[in-house]
Amino acid sequence: SSELTQDPAVSVALGQTVRITCQGDSLRNYYASWFQQRPGQAPLLVIYGKNNRPSGIPDRFSASSSGNTASLTITGAQAEDEANFYCNSRDSSGNRVFGGGTKVTVL
Amino acid sequence: VQLVESGGGLVKPGGSLRLSCTASGFTFSNYNMNWVRQAPGKGLEWVSSISGGSSYIKYADSVKGRFTISRDNAKNSLHLQMNSLRVEDTAVYYCAKDLYFGAQYYFDYWGQGTLITVSS
Repeated sequence: SSELTQDPAVSVALGQTVRITCQGDSLRNYYASWFQQRPGQAPLLVIYGKNNRPSGIPDRFSASSSGNTASLTITGAQAEDEANFYCNSRDSSGNRVFGGGTKVTVL
Repeated sequence: VQLVESGGGLVKPGGSLRLSCTASGFTFSNYNMNWVRQAPGKGLEWVSSISGGSSYIKYADSVKGRFTISRDNAKNSLHLQMNSLRVEDTAVYYCAKDLYFGAQYYFDYWGQGTLITVSS
């Protein structure tokens, strides 16, 4: 299957840690990347590869992977982290696949 | 890096539209480029990819046979010709640049998107 599955929504208290997961068979062979999208804005790459952050992305964002599950962790969530987060990878045919997105609410 | 989409608008079902993306700030011909769309209130959907020299082109099944991706490296521009448009093609269309890292591609820069509305 080329689908990626994410929980629709999670919440986290300000300053606490939250983990967002992404499940799919393709993740056994390919890394996920993660995007943050605030309302009305374009997606922003926050993690790619095993655990790489583009320039300017805070180090409170980190990634891990095990089996068919990739995870994005926000350690010490800030108010500005409230957004939709999408995972992305590829399938064996070379198609790029997105998860359905997780809405993160910072309380 | 800057990516600026244009060409969006309102079109009737069955109609056609051509999107463009003008790139700057990097050597355009060296990078694969992509179109990704997002229906109103929905998630992201990959649409199509094209390699730097246009030798590799791929489409999502949802647009195969109706959309055509192309690029003009001399003009630093990416295009998406959309034919036989359907109501379900209504979305914001983003142009996205690829980063090649560790034998895998990642969307590292995105434009601000252009809205296509397919409605009678």
